[in-house]
Amino acid sequence: NAGVTQTPKFRVLKTGQSMTLLCAQDMNHEYMYWYRQDPGMGLRLIHYSVGEGTTAKGEVPDGYNVSRLKKQNFLLGLESAAPSQTSVYFCASRRDHGTDTQYFGPGTRLTVL
Amino acid sequence: SQQGEEDPQALSIQEGENATMNCSYKTSINNLQWYRQNSGRGLVHLILIRSNEREKHSGRLRVTLDTSKKSSSLLITASRAADTASYFCATDLGGAQKLVFGQGTRLTINP
Repeated sequence: NAGVTQTPKFRVLKTGQSMTLLCAQDMNHEYMYWYRQDPGMGLRLIHYSVGEGTTAKGEVPDGYNVSRLKKQNFLLGLESAAPSQTSVYFCASRRDHGTDTQYFGPGTRLTVL
Repeated sequence: SQQGEEDPQALSIQEGENATMNCSYKTSINNLQWYRQNSGRGLVHLILIRSNEREKHSGRLRVTLDTSKKSSSLLITASRAADTASYFCATDLGGAQKLVFGQGTRLTINP
């Protein structure tokens, strides 16, 4: 199993550009999450999904959209990137409501100029 | 706003010594989890302690939870150079398990 994978690993955008970050998991997990990590701030939840076709807002959802068209994939979109979105983005997944451990991907480092 | 506050923010000790990190939180929790993050990598789950538990062990790790004080501690015994990493506590408020992370403790083990 590859676990949780994220693409791309690094990306540099100009202000106003758009992009999509892809998270994929091959563990048949129901729940998936997108976090951002900023220096001195820990991880903050952006959006999450409790199953295929569902999405919900987390702590810091503004400026982001997500989609979960397939159970194994969770996409994070930035429609018009801003310098404040410069961060490291982590995806995580969890099997279902009966388990507690979240499995994290390796992260995507995004810089918005 | 951050649910968890970790203390200290940074800790540097000699190999073989014990390392203790503390986490305080604000609201009632379902469980509290500790994660490790090596530099430039994703987070790895270490241990989970439920709200009705007071202490839990896993290898060289010992976690305590005091729900009356809303605090937890992570003890790593007989530290090794490979333990150098950032350690985060995360509180699970229940439901869809939206974990709320602390700011982390950066641990450095000196050889």
